[in-house]
Amino acid sequence: SQQGEEDPQALSIQEGENATMNCSYKTSINNLQWYRQNSGRGLVHLILIRSNEREKHSGRLRVTLDTSKKSSSLLITASRAADTASYFCATDARETSGSRLTFGEGTQLTVNP
Amino acid sequence: DTAVSQTPKYLVTQMGNDKSIKCEQNLGHDTMYWYKQDSKKFLKIMFSYNNKELIINETVPNRFSPKSPDKAHLNLHINSLELGDSAVYFCASSLGGVNIQYFGAGTRLSVL
Repeated sequence: SQQGEEDPQALSIQEGENATMNCSYKTSINNLQWYRQNSGRGLVHLILIRSNEREKHSGRLRVTLDTSKKSSSLLITASRAADTASYFCATDARETSGSRLTFGEGTQLTVNP
Repeated sequence: DTAVSQTPKYLVTQMGNDKSIKCEQNLGHDTMYWYKQDSKKFLKIMFSYNNKELIINETVPNRFSPKSPDKAHLNLHINSLELGDSAVYFCASSLGGVNIQYFGAGTRLSVL
């Protein structure tokens, strides 16, 4: 079964607003990662949160992890038009530790100038 | 310098043809991957090699054959191409342990 279901599937906001994307997963994890994909490009790693962490920040990004609910959220504050991209969560599951990531279906974020 | 490079970027071919996609990484990573991304952007792992050894082989038609001549290269050969093979194929690499993956720019394959 697929890990990493994200919602919303698509999100459209104005520049300066905050964007929140959610990810749910099914199995125990070592870590959860968020990636960004600009149109026509490869995925780029944004941030990693380990299973024993609850919150992590990187610049305008804030990630939370709730292992009891098997969910994570990515918050982008003060969004910019350049943040327009697809965002994917990916889980490194305990039973396959280090050997694979399972990606969610992604959230398409559009930031309107 | 491009960290993970794959060629070609675009590949348009007829059904039944055989084609190859090449991937090289200069990051010193020990693990490389091939993913298929469909039109809905769903990313599915196909293969993974660690130090030239196959460690992940998902349910992929045996028309797809990966080859890793050394740990910096992972090529994908596809025989008898079918319409359903049309997708974007991504190569990625990682260093063992934390498994943060670095992706190539993708190869858009169109089978006519």
